[in-house]
Amino acid sequence: KNQVEQSPQSLIILEGKNCTLQCNYTVSPFSNLRWYKQDTGRGPVSLTIMTFSENTKSNGRYTATLDADTKQSSLHITASQLSDSASYICVVTDHYYGNNRLAFGKGNQVVVIP
Amino acid sequence: NAGVMQNPRHLVRRRGQEARLRCSPMKGHSHVYWYRQLPEEGLKFMVYLQKENIIDESGMPKERFSAEFPKEGPSILRIQQVVRGDSAAYFCASSQASLRGPNTEAFFGQGTRLTVV
Repeated sequence: KNQVEQSPQSLIILEGKNCTLQCNYTVSPFSNLRWYKQDTGRGPVSLTIMTFSENTKSNGRYTATLDADTKQSSLHITASQLSDSASYICVVTDHYYGNNRLAFGKGNQVVVIP
Repeated sequence: NAGVMQNPRHLVRRRGQEARLRCSPMKGHSHVYWYRQLPEEGLKFMVYLQKENIIDESGMPKERFSAEFPKEGPSILRIQQVVRGDSAAYFCASSQASLRGPNTEAFFGQGTRLTVV
């Protein structure tokens, strides 16, 4: 079973609207949780990094939240733009291995339409 | 400051041939990671290296796959005697320090898409 589950798998939203992506993880303990944006055919690009003690972090129109008690995170996109069409990936740094292993979710595929 | 550079971007190999994937980390980064991504799947950890040392290779198949990060030059992921199941996108990432650090960024390259025919 994947240690990081994301929902919805995909969604279509109108330009200018907001959307929220969900991430549930079972990795424990963990060092930090990251959200990446991956455009088709490109490498992932970091949006936010949060430690277990942080509840929220913003990067422009992207706001990530973290509830370490329930092991849930969300990524909120405000006033979506066409360029936001991409896969958004929730990633947890797996502290158990004592090193540097990142556990990736499968991603939320977002399509923004005009 | 150039980002993580991977080459080639696309690689086609016949079954049984060798594939060599190269990764130049960002300047000043001594930690390198290789990940594999199959279609519709998330990235899967393969190997973590620091200069001249393999730190964790537990995600890499024991047969046919090897990785190195020499003192000089790029990191190399080598796949011998490729099979169709090796077809995937292979991503390299680098960081300046351990990813356990609270704000240590991992920067990814654009990936190498390997197709085995």
